[in-house]
Amino acid sequence: GIQVEQSPPDLILQEGANSTLRCNFSDSVNNLQWFHQNPWGQLINLFYIPSGTKQNGRLSATTVATERYSLLYISSSQTTDSGVYFCAVVTGANNLFFGTGTRLTVIP
Amino acid sequence: GAVVSQHPSRVICKSGTSVKIECRSLDFQATTMFWYRQFPKQSLMLMATSNEGSKATYEQGVEKDKFLINHASLTLSTLTVTSAHPEDSSFYICSARDSPHKNTGELFFGEGSRLTVL
Repeated sequence: GIQVEQSPPDLILQEGANSTLRCNFSDSVNNLQWFHQNPWGQLINLFYIPSGTKQNGRLSATTVATERYSLLYISSSQTTDSGVYFCAVVTGANNLFFGTGTRLTVIP
Repeated sequence: GAVVSQHPSRVICKSGTSVKIECRSLDFQATTMFWYRQFPKQSLMLMATSNEGSKATYEQGVEKDKFLINHASLTLSTLTVTSAHPEDSSFYICSARDSPHKNTGELFFGEGSRLTVL
């Protein structure tokens, strides 16, 4: 099956810093989403981005489908950004695969 | 975005009992819903695809007799953990997309249900 790797696995930032999270996938995909899982476990939709670039406030994402990766940018990080960030991809077989996740801790 | 709701959010049960978790799409109809399981500090694993009006499709290694899935209407899917054991303790999350197209469209997730089996 498809492999979805995220890097880095863990990231500690000072409040106000910027960061880039990466998602690499091993096969072509029909759909890619980024999620933020908060400390209570809820998955918050960040971006639906099978290709191209999108921005939403301090967050933006870029997917280069031909090169099989996606990036999530977080600017001016806040403590409320802490949690685990997942990318997830849908393949042609309609199977949804989650990445390994990046655990972000933003310290004041 | 579309809203998916799960109930209960937390459940504690004794070993050997069965537990039912509900997943509802509140503002759209979902012919397909997905059930995931997440162990502590790990990623989400797809357990099964729930299809309205037909049998669920289970991923390899998931016991269909242990995890019963029923998708009786276009807005409700249920997951029943039968004869639960401590190793079934986990975080269970459902999702659905509000698109009629199987492979496209944004997926929305419920709040999750944390099961603890004593």
